[in-house]
Amino acid sequence: EAEVAQSPRYKITEKSQAVAFWCDPISGHATLYWYRQILGQGPELLVQFQDESVVDDSQLPKDRFSAERLKGVDSTLKIQPAELGDSAMYLCASSSLRSGANVLTFGAGSRLTVL
Amino acid sequence: SQQGEEDPQALSIQEGENATMNCSYKTSINNLQWYRQNSGRGLVHLILIRSNEREKHSGRLRVTLDTSKKSSSLLITASRAADTASYFCATLRDSNYQLIWGAGTKLIIKP
Repeated sequence: EAEVAQSPRYKITEKSQAVAFWCDPISGHATLYWYRQILGQGPELLVQFQDESVVDDSQLPKDRFSAERLKGVDSTLKIQPAELGDSAMYLCASSSLRSGANVLTFGAGSRLTVL
Repeated sequence: SQQGEEDPQALSIQEGENATMNCSYKTSINNLQWYRQNSGRGLVHLILIRSNEREKHSGRLRVTLDTSKKSSSLLITASRAADTASYFCATLRDSNYQLIWGAGTKLIIKP
């Protein structure tokens, strides 16, 4: 079964350092999402791409976070500089809107710990 | 932003019992989806119910939707230890096709 690939699975970094996460969505899925999930809470949308274009980044802290999907396939989420409050799970998901249902397939996530 | 609400926040039951969790939402929806998340992992889609449907079944899962009350429930019958996870509802808004997530129900199945 097709999967959404994410790396790294775990990242420990010190505050003020730069961090990057990578995501490879399901082949053919035009829509890609980056979510942040704090322990015990639901996913919070950071950015949504349709192909290579940003559809929604209203909740992305743009002073330190950036995201790109240059060729409309895989994507990178970067944090610079990392802060203690960025410790969370970063989830990537993809979907195809062709069915009209918008069911998401998630990757396993990248757990970030900022010391 | 999270606009869905789930209750209870946590539920602990004996293996073999049924588990029911509820989701309420605020806006008009296209569909409502339930996802499961095992500890430290990504979310997995379980079941989707469209706004014109009232009930749906998938294996041991039963979902109901009451659009007049803006609420849904997920029933897991004959629970197993492997059902231990967090369960999230997500509503697809009609207006902008955005998914709105709840805060989740943490389900613990005791052997």
